[in-house]
Amino acid sequence: AAGVIQSPRHLIKEKRETATLKCYPIPRHDTVYWYQQGPGQDPQFLISFYEKMQSDKGSIPDRFSAQQFSDYHSELNMSSLELGDSALYFCASTPPQRGGSTDTQYFGPGTRLTVL
Amino acid sequence: DAKTTQPPSMDCAEGRAANLPCNHSTISGNEYVYWYRQIHSQGPQYIIHGLKNNETNEMASLIITEDRKSSTLILPHATLRDTAVYYCIVRRNYGGSQGNLIFGKGTKLSVKP
Repeated sequence: AAGVIQSPRHLIKEKRETATLKCYPIPRHDTVYWYQQGPGQDPQFLISFYEKMQSDKGSIPDRFSAQQFSDYHSELNMSSLELGDSALYFCASTPPQRGGSTDTQYFGPGTRLTVL
Repeated sequence: DAKTTQPPSMDCAEGRAANLPCNHSTISGNEYVYWYRQIHSQGPQYIIHGLKNNETNEMASLIITEDRKSSTLILPHATLRDTAVYYCIVRRNYGGSQGNLIFGKGTKLSVKP
């Protein structure tokens, strides 16, 4: 079965540079979530989109922005990168909700961002 | 969403059942119990979820106590590949209005030969 695709898988940037991470949800999934996992930490929610509109916002820095496009893929844009932004970034997607079914999130393999 | 408590680590012998407990004493009536696991630096993997009845799938079984204040994830025949951090997460079914997962510390399960 098709899974969530994230690109790139690894990214190395310098401080103050920008980065764009991409997420392609499972086909026909309409909701995308972004999570950040720092070294030795648990995943933390950043932001989510439902039907191309932002639906929830977590601990996302103002330097970060994201959007969901008409084909439901999403991009996380990160500017003025700091050393502390070095982390794994996961994207998850859920299918459309029908008849009260649960909205199980399925995760991608993640993008490892290293800021030097 | 209700808070969960899990032991920080557990060991299990290969081939034996792994029983991972989770306490969620403040769970509400409309909240589900979800289990995910994360194998080193990979994306969290969905395992199973339930509301009040016990559930079983090809990966695991979920036993929820009658008062729903605790649950146990059972891996019936643990293998070395089951070594991972297991997260118990309690959340509502958002059914069209979406909601993020709140990861706690989880249980690091080590399956040993």
